[in-house]
Amino acid sequence: DTGVSQNPRHKITKRGQNVTFRCDPISEHNRLYWYRQTLGQGPEFLTYFQNEAQLEKSRLLSDRFSAERPKGSFSTLEIQRTEQGDSAMYLCASSTGGLRAEAFFGQGTRLTVV
Amino acid sequence: GQQLNQSPQSMFIQEGEDVSMNCTSSSIFNTWLWYKQDPGEGPVLLIALYKAGELTSNGRLTAQFGITRKDSFLNISASIPSDVGIYFCAGRHSNYQLIWGAGTKLIIKP
Repeated sequence: DTGVSQNPRHKITKRGQNVTFRCDPISEHNRLYWYRQTLGQGPEFLTYFQNEAQLEKSRLLSDRFSAERPKGSFSTLEIQRTEQGDSAMYLCASSTGGLRAEAFFGQGTRLTVV
Repeated sequence: GQQLNQSPQSMFIQEGEDVSMNCTSSSIFNTWLWYKQDPGEGPVLLIALYKAGELTSNGRLTAQFGITRKDSFLNISASIPSDVGIYFCAGRHSNYQLIWGAGTKLIIKP
C-alpha cells in the first residue's frame, strides 16, 4: 500500500497524559500537513512541512502541541498534558510540490481524552 | 478558524435522484476542491477546479468553479447507495492552505 499511513488509528488517553501520533507520507512527497477535525466540522489546518522544515503553524497549535519531521520522511505530532478539548480526529496529508499538487489524506488518528 | 458556507447541511434522497450542493465564501479563491469522507476515514479528493467558470466531471459527479471565484457547486447524478457519506468543499487562496466547509451529509432513504 503506497498511501498515507497513520498510527495509531485510535487512541484513548487520560487527561494530562502525553500522546504521540505518527504519519508516514507517500514516498517522494516532500510536503506534509497535519489537520484536526472535530465532529460535524471540516478539517482545520494545524501545520505544514516542506521536507524537514516546518514552514507554518496555525494559531490552533498551542504550546502543548509539537510536530516534527526529522528526516523529511515520516512525521510525528505530540500533544502534551492532553485536555478533553483535544479529542478529535487528527489527519495527516502529503503532496508533491507545485500549485496543482493536491494532497492525499491518511485515515486519521481518532483521539479520545477521558 | 475561517470556514466556507456549505449547504445543505444534510440531504435525504431516494436512490436514482440527482443531488446538488454548494459552497460560498466571502473571499476569492484560486482553487476549489471537492472531497468525500466516509466514516472513520480521511477525505478523498473527487474533483479539483483551477479556473473561474471551469466545469469538470468525474463520472456521475460534476463541479463548477463560480465566475465570481467565491462559490462552487457539486452535482451528483443518479445517486447510488455508495454515494452515502459527507462531502466537503475546500478553497485555497494562493498558498497551500485549504479552507474547508462544514460538510454536506448525504443519506439515501431505504
